[in-house]
Amino acid sequence: AQKVTQAQTEISVVEKEDVTLDCVYETRDTTYYLFWYKQPPSGELVFLIRRNSFDEQNEISGRYSWNFQKSTSSFNFTITASQVVDSAVYFCALSGYNQGGKLIFGQGTELSVKP
Amino acid sequence: GAVVSQHPSWVICKSGTSVKIECRSLDFQATTMFWYRQFPKQSLMLMATSNEGSKATYEQGVEKDKFLINHASLTLSTLTVTSAHPEDSSFYICSAAWGTGANVLTFGAGSRLTVL
Repeated sequence: AQKVTQAQTEISVVEKEDVTLDCVYETRDTTYYLFWYKQPPSGELVFLIRRNSFDEQNEISGRYSWNFQKSTSSFNFTITASQVVDSAVYFCALSGYNQGGKLIFGQGTELSVKP
Repeated sequence: GAVVSQHPSWVICKSGTSVKIECRSLDFQATTMFWYRQFPKQSLMLMATSNEGSKATYEQGVEKDKFLINHASLTLSTLTVTSAHPEDSSFYICSAAWGTGANVLTFGAGSRLTVL
């Protein structure tokens, strides 16, 4: 069975602080995809990243960075120098390679960045 | 590119009525679409997988007679909530799969249903 766990339900930081959102996953598939999405209060899902299970290189995109470690089945997301606009719910998700895009979502982490 | 339009974005209806939500891929053909439901402060839960020209595959615990899914073309899937009740009030969001292995996904903006 596949499962995604985001243990942090809510995180509150002050603007300019760095913050890491944890994601741990379980799967028996050898090939799979991992995702992060941002969901602002409007509800739409904003795609942040998709990572193939064979690619363990860390990725940086502006203030965002992702640390993928297969050994610990984790795919953590760090926001550097957080801003108020980063306030949202963030979801980590998993999809098996042959599942055609069917996603299993974690419970989500609500990030609040205060000025 | 790869835009998914979901309509309506919000709807209020009376208990007992049926509501149809459309998910349309605007600039690509989506062989597979997915429907998710999200209750307040909760995660997205997959309801069903919709394949063009065939019956939808429902997840365990989802009533297929209550949530009718039709995927009549490569660009349109519809979700009809039949005889809606207040407990069906939720945020419904679709996604469309495309690309090699259909692992590139685009989400619609979601539809917020309130049943009075």
